[in-house]
Amino acid sequence: DTGVSQDPRHKITKRGQNVTFRCDPISEHNRLYWYRQTLGQGPEFLTYFQNEAQLEKSRLLSDRFSAERPKGSFSTLEIQRTEQGDSAMYLCASSPRGTGSEKLFFGSGTQLSVL
Amino acid sequence: AQRVTQPEKLLSVFKGAPVELKCNYSYSGSPELFWYVQYSRQRLQLLLRHISRESIKGFTADLNKGETSFHLKKPFAQEEDSAMYYCALIASTDSWGKLQFGAGTQVVVTP
Repeated sequence: DTGVSQDPRHKITKRGQNVTFRCDPISEHNRLYWYRQTLGQGPEFLTYFQNEAQLEKSRLLSDRFSAERPKGSFSTLEIQRTEQGDSAMYLCASSPRGTGSEKLFFGSGTQLSVL
Repeated sequence: AQRVTQPEKLLSVFKGAPVELKCNYSYSGSPELFWYVQYSRQRLQLLLRHISRESIKGFTADLNKGETSFHLKKPFAQEEDSAMYYCALIASTDSWGKLQFGAGTQVVVTP
């Protein structure tokens, strides 16, 4: 599968633990996005990378959240001291370089359950 | 702040009947609008975008700036159209890819 890959698919953790998710975008896509989706809602934008630079962060991304894309390829999203409200599907998407208006390619997501 | 509203959580239609999914938005500028679809056990994927003015899988959507709507239509629904549909907006002042999604409409097409 040459699409966007996310790992793990499911994560169950206890409140207060730290978790880290990984996203591998489509090769040569320079833009990478993280979204969060809670039950019954559409995805919500969290953050955006162009190459290794994190260009925008949503207010939803509290200081417990951090995202990196160290070499402009894969990205990680870490949540520290997880809370039950962090339970959600975390989606990664990528898009190729260009002038804009290209479509986003989404991964299958990581489902986080905080007990 | 911009907002996307999809008033119907569930839309049930018979095969061969027309289907229309409503999408209204609030944004004072010139948005870019999209419809994304998620079929069962598949990834979220782009269905169509307003700037392309294209028909994909028989679906069309017209941007009505006066009514701030971007409704998705298909004249004859097929069983394979059963899916979750999301309307999404990018504000002209936002980074490309920063989509604002509606809550989605589940479409069920029955034979």
